Amino acid sequence: GAGVSQSPRYKVAKRGQDVALRCDPISGHVSLFWYQQALGQGPEFLTYFQNEAQLDKSGLPSDRFFAERPEGSVSTLKIQRTQQEDSAVYLCASSLPLDRVQETQYFGPGTRLLVL
Amino acid sequence: KNQVEQSPQSLIILEGKNCTLQCNYTVSPFSNLRWYKQDTGRGPVSLTIMTFSENTKSNGRYTATLDADTKQSSLHITASQLSDSASYICVVSPWTGGFKTIFGAGTRLFVKA
Repeated sequence: GAGVSQSPRYKVAKRGQDVALRCDPISGHVSLFWYQQALGQGPEFLTYFQNEAQLDKSGLPSDRFFAERPEGSVSTLKIQRTQQEDSAVYLCASSLPLDRVQETQYFGPGTRLLVL
Repeated sequence: KNQVEQSPQSLIILEGKNCTLQCNYTVSPFSNLRWYKQDTGRGPVSLTIMTFSENTKSNGRYTATLDADTKQSSLHITASQLSDSASYICVVSPWTGGFKTIFGAGTRLFVKA
């Protein structure tokens, strides 16, 4: 595709509901990142995949957050038993990468999650 | 205290004027420092990438500088345009293991006609 796409663009959930957010990276991109961006703040790292392997999940805030990329392309971020503090924009980014120092991450438009 | 601090928090300038945004970081050592532009409701777009050994990097009207001794970076925007209105985010990648990157909170720039 032309860029990274995410769906849905907007999601309203009731507290306690489970949600699943989808990311379609640029075709052929090896690396995939998930970020959480609170209103008025910069993104915060959640997790990183290299192909289907989840190499870093140090940023996941709790065990209610789970991410997968089973075939090394599309990724899903799942949040169980959502809470109001989970309300944020969830950004996905992908990169080739050429090398870790010079790699450029390409971001999707994000999914704006509102938990009521 | 955030490891990447940006200033000012917001800035209003007139179209055609220049401006400079600041980024102070404590992340050390680091592999690279990036500046991103984020339009409202969209994902960030990369403007510049500098390794720890580089002092300056340009991309059109955007010029980033890096002083590793003082742990400061700046983004200079020349001849601003209305389309420059956005948030500008400084991002530092630690050299240590892992893939975590540390984002600043951004500077919100408003360019007025």
